[in-house]
This record gives sequence, C-alpha cells and structure tokens, in this order.
Amino acid sequence: DQQVKQNSPSLSVQEGRISILNCDYTNSMFDYFLWYKKYPAEGPTFLISISSIKDKNEDGRFTVFLNKSAKHLSLHIVPSQPGDSAVYFCAASANLYGSGTYKYIFGTGTRLKVLA
Amino acid sequence: SAVISQKPSRDICQRGTSLTIQCQVDSQVTMMFWYRQQPGQSLTLIATANQGSEATYESGFVIDKFPISRPNLTFSTLTVSNMSPEDSSIYLCSVSNSYEQYFGPGTRLTVT
Repeated sequence: DQQVKQNSPSLSVQEGRISILNCDYTNSMFDYFLWYKKYPAEGPTFLISISSIKDKNEDGRFTVFLNKSAKHLSLHIVPSQPGDSAVYFCAASANLYGSGTYKYIFGTGTRLKVLA
Repeated sequence: SAVISQKPSRDICQRGTSLTIQCQVDSQVTMMFWYRQQPGQSLTLIATANQGSEATYESGFVIDKFPISRPNLTFSTLTVSNMSPEDSSIYLCSVSNSYEQYFGPGTRLTVT
C-alpha cells in the first residue's frame, strides 16, 4: 500500500511559467512533509518542508501548500527555469511517539522538464 | 546543512560477493539512515543506524543481508552481503538532527 503518491510521473512546463507538482498521502498521522529535487547520478537535494500546523511555506521561488483535509500537498515553482529540470520527490513522516525521530516515506517522484 | 560523503561512488561487483559502503558526515548528527533506490523506483528506507547499538531495520530488510555499523556520530557503514543482480541499486546515506533529512551523493551498485 503506497502511503505517499505522486500520480503524475512527468510534467513539462515552459520556462518562466509556474510548475505545480502534486502529492497525496493516506496516513492522517503524518505531520511533517519534505520536498526534494534529484538530478541523475546525485543524491536528493532538500528543497522545502512544511509542518502540519501550517498550510503554506515559502522559500524564494518555491512554495509548498498543504491541505490536511484532502491529504494533499503541492509544490509550486515560480518562475520555472531550465535548471529546475529534475525528478521531484515528496516525503511524509510522523513524529514517532513524540520522540523527535522522523522516518520518511517517499513518493514515486515526478520528472519535471522545463522547456527553454 | 551537513556535508555528507559516500565511498565508493559506484562499483560493479560479482554475484555472491559483498560490498561495504561508507558514509562520513562533517559534523555530529543525531540520526543516520540508509536508503535504497532501485532503478525507476522511489527511495526505500533500509534501516536506521543507531550509534553504539544494533541498527533498526524496516520490514523486508534483515541484518544478515545488510549489516550496518555506526561507531560514532559522524560515520556509518552499510554492507550489502552475498549480492545478487536484484541488489543493483543506488544506496543513499541520509542524516538528520530533527525533522529535515539530508542525503549523501549515493553509491551506484551494479551486480553482474
């Protein structure tokens, strides 16, 4: 059972436009969410996080939105640049027993291609 | 964020052999994890490396196949034992001091 899903395996966007990457989850206990970008032959690079007590977090061109009732989060990239072309993973975790230990479950990834 | 290095960056191994992957962090970290990314797949957590004690393995992963050591707060190793072609993957070390995790560059393993 896939607890974290990214239903779009790929997305193409024109340079300068907005990229919206979506992620759905099933476990209502998840309380922290991360987004990563991954280039081929490199490890994932942390982009942005959001806690379940918020519905929006912004960092430069990247904004993450969380809709807890729908168990849905999205990553917006504005404006999109060719260097943003990569695979994007969302990840979700619950604070295990309030221990401060977060174990993440990753989505399957969305390959973003930004066209110049 | 911490600077994380992994050795080797890639290797080609014969089936039945073992490979040990090293993960070094430039600062002390609370948590260290090992992940696997099989071709075309997502990242799957193998185990949490606990300092000074046995690692905590996720369902489907066992210590005999993936022994892990963590002698201190900056270093860990993952061994892939008795390899088969199905073990061909990218193996990733990640570290965390709270809710954010950071990844190393990965080790690309091919088993022939």
